[in-house]
This record gives sequence, C-alpha cells and structure tokens, in this order.
Amino acid sequence: GAGVSQSPSNKVTEKGKDVELRCDPISGHTALYWYRQSLGQGLEFLIYFQGNSAPDKSGLPSDRFSAERTGGSVSTLTIQRTQQEDSAVYLCASSFSDEAFFGQGTRLTVV
Amino acid sequence: QKEVEQDPGPLSVPEGAIVSLNCTYSNSAFQYFMWYRQYSRKGPELLMYTYSSGNKEDGRFTAQVDKSSKYISLFIRDSQPSDSATYLCAMKVSGTYKYIFGTGTRLKVLA
Repeated sequence: GAGVSQSPSNKVTEKGKDVELRCDPISGHTALYWYRQSLGQGLEFLIYFQGNSAPDKSGLPSDRFSAERTGGSVSTLTIQRTQQEDSAVYLCASSFSDEAFFGQGTRLTVV
Repeated sequence: QKEVEQDPGPLSVPEGAIVSLNCTYSNSAFQYFMWYRQYSRKGPELLMYTYSSGNKEDGRFTAQVDKSSKYISLFIRDSQPSDSATYLCAMKVSGTYKYIFGTGTRLKVLA
C-alpha cells in the first residue's frame, strides 16, 4: 500500500492481558515512530527507530511497553499486563526526511 | 511551560469564513514546522510543511511562520464543512528526529 498501515484498527482487551500492535511503514522510509494519543491530549512520543541504529526508547512509559522493528520494516509495539490507563490511540508514523506520515492508529480499550 | 502551545478550541465558524489557527513555541531552535489535519477516529494527515519564515500557500491553505515571534499560523480560506477536524501543529529542530506536537485545535465549519 501507499501509506502507513496499522493493525488492528480497534482492540478491546481485558486488564492484565498482553497486546501486540502492528505497524507497516511506507516502503523506503527508514525512520519509524510510535506515538500515543489520549483523549484531549497531544501526541506522546513513545519510541523511535532509524535504520539499524539502536532505538530511542525514552518515551516508553513503563517496562510493560516494548517495541521491535524487524528487518528495518514492520514494527510491533507490545504492551504487557495491560492497565486501564493504557487505553488510548496508538499511532505509528514513518519518515524518510523531515516529514512524518501517520497511519490510522489502533484504538486500544482496556476493560 | 510547554514547548508548543495551541488553543484547543473548539472554534466554530460559518461556511465560507477565513479560519486562522495558531501555535506559539518557546524553542528558538525549531526550524521545521508542520500542520496536520485529523478527522475523528483517523490518523493525522500532513497538510503543510515549511522550514522558513514567511508564507507558503497550497490551494485554500496558507502556512505562515514568524520565527522572530515564535508564532506559526494556518489560514484556511473559503472554509467548508469538510474542513471540520482537529488541526495539529508540529515542529522539529534541524538534525533531530523528535517532533513536538501541539495539543490540537478542534475546528467546526457550520453549513
């Protein structure tokens, strides 16, 4: 596809369960970002991948959050032992230069 | 003080009006400025991108940057109900990868 693809688009999970969110960036984009958007809040930076360099994980809110990027392309964000405060929209973006392009997001609801 | 300030709105205008959306920032090192449009339950869509002071026009949209005042604006001419969305400003320091986002302004264009 031409754009950033995220799956699933919606995820409802029970508190304490683990979830995996997937991002397929635009082909050729070397940079990949994960952001979190909560109701009424701005975009919160989570993690950044650039090529084969070590990722910047400084935005991950706790050690329950982790992410990987395989083969410099697809990325998975994993949240372990989900809590209700994890409910938000998780956005992935990719970039080749200065402009970042976003996917449609995964709306996570923890019940 | 946040690095980027943006009035959350909502801003309601009649169809055909000129809309002015604004952000102020505190970091004089910001050099790249972007505007995103986000429809409800969708990901942010890149509208405009600029890295210099002055105006940049694209159809009904004009992005304006005043680095001396640390102030950026997005003007929408002949606003349409389809312009109803949340508009996010974003900015970045040259040579870095972190985008700093405003919290977004919710715009409603009334038919």
